[in-house]
Amino acid sequence: DAGVIQSPRHEVTEMGQEVTLRCKPISGHDYLFWYRQTMMRGLELLIYFNNNVPIDDSGMPEDRFSAKMPNASFSTLKIQPSEPRDSAVYFCASSSRQNTGELFFGEGSRLTVL
Amino acid sequence: GIQVEQSPPDLILQEGANSTLRCNFSDSVNNLQWFHQNPWGQLINLFYIPSGTKQNGRLSATTVATERYSLLYISSSQTTDSGVYFCAVPLNYGGSQGNLIFGKGTKLSVKP
Repeated sequence: DAGVIQSPRHEVTEMGQEVTLRCKPISGHDYLFWYRQTMMRGLELLIYFNNNVPIDDSGMPEDRFSAKMPNASFSTLKIQPSEPRDSAVYFCASSSRQNTGELFFGEGSRLTVL
Repeated sequence: GIQVEQSPPDLILQEGANSTLRCNFSDSVNNLQWFHQNPWGQLINLFYIPSGTKQNGRLSATTVATERYSLLYISSSQTTDSGVYFCAVPLNYGGSQGNLIFGKGTKLSVKP
């Protein structure tokens, strides 16, 4: 079974540009999470969805960040406009309440904003 | 909110040595996971262990929920064990099992 799939793996962009990160969760998982990892703040939860509905977005840093989950197999995290301080590794993860809720991570998208 | 503390922050081992990593948490939990982040940045599940003891090859983990700690044991360490080990617990007891708060990790370097 395929794991969580993220794209792109690496993204380098200039300040002010729009960035879209994509995620395909594990089939059958009903929870999807977006995490961000930086040296300063470690791993922090940005937002999570249950059955495609956003449940908690209190970790989203500001209005420049938005996330959607139009269906059970796809989610996006968008940053518009991007800033250098958004540079980080963004992880998508999924879990299933029926399977103890164990969390499985994608390989991450490394974002560099110049 | 719940606090997660890991120790030691850094650990250097010679290949073949054993080690114990510790995770303390400040409140009751119904879920605890250990992850390994390898040098390429991948986060790999090691254990889902809200209580008791589990073993997987050279690795084992024990969680004593009543005393609010978990231990990860690595025996006969190998260079491929290098990386950062994270402990994570739910942000809210009984909340979404995947809404986790992570410790700052233990960075392990295994020398050949």
